[in-house]
Amino acid sequence: GDSVTQKEGLVTLTEGLPVMLNCTYQTIYSNAFLFWYVHYLNESPRLLLKSSTDNKRTEHQGFHATLHKSSSSFHLQKSSAQLSDSALYYCALSDRFGDNSKLIWGLGTSLVVNP
Amino acid sequence: AQTIHQWPVAEIKAVGSPLSLGCTIKGKSSPNLYWYWQATGGTLQQLFYSITVGQVESVVQLNLSASRPKDDQFILSTEKLLLSHSGFYLCAWTRTGGVQNTLYFGAGTRLSVL
Repeated sequence: GDSVTQKEGLVTLTEGLPVMLNCTYQTIYSNAFLFWYVHYLNESPRLLLKSSTDNKRTEHQGFHATLHKSSSSFHLQKSSAQLSDSALYYCALSDRFGDNSKLIWGLGTSLVVNP
Repeated sequence: AQTIHQWPVAEIKAVGSPLSLGCTIKGKSSPNLYWYWQATGGTLQQLFYSITVGQVESVVQLNLSASRPKDDQFILSTEKLLLSHSGFYLCAWTRTGGVQNTLYFGAGTRLSVL
C-alpha cells in the first residue's frame, strides 16, 4: 500500500545552518499529492507546503520543497534555520485522483534549532 | 473567518469510564470533518471522517465511535476507555473535495487514561 517515510525522527541544528528534512513515498498512483504540515508546540498543526507538480519548486515562509516523482521524494529545505523553526514536521501523501478522504502520514521529524 | 473549537482541552479519565470529545466548526457550511489521534511519540492517525450530517466513515476503529449530529459538529466517543486510548485527539476540517485541500486543525484534546 501507500506509505511515507521520514527517516529522521529528530534533527538538531544550530541557528543559521541549512535545514533539510527528508521525505520519500511509495504509491501505485502516478498522480501523488504531497504535503508538509508543521506542528509548533502549543499550536495546532498547519499546512506548510503542498505540491502535485513534478519538478516544480514550491515555497512558503522561507521553506521550499520540490516534488521529484522519479525519486519519489519531497524533501523540505530552508537555507538558514531560525530558533522559531523548532517544531514537528509531517510529510503526507494523497492520491490526487483517487481517495480524497485520508492522507498517508509519515512518522514526523522533530526539528530542534539551537542558538 | 472559519473557527474550529475542540472541547475539552484536557481530560483525565479512569479505565472503563465513558468519553465524549467534541468539535465545532463555525463559519463554514458543509465542511468535511476528521478525527485524528496521536499517541505519545507517535504519528498522526486518522480515525474517522465525515462529509455530511449523519454520515461517518471509520478509518481505524480503536474501540471508538464518531457521530455528526449537526453540520458543524463532530463527536468522538466511547462507552469504555482503555489505557491505549491515551494521547492527543485532533479534530480537523477541509472544504469539499477532501484532504487535497488544506486540513485545518483544532487545538486538540489531551487525554490521559489511568
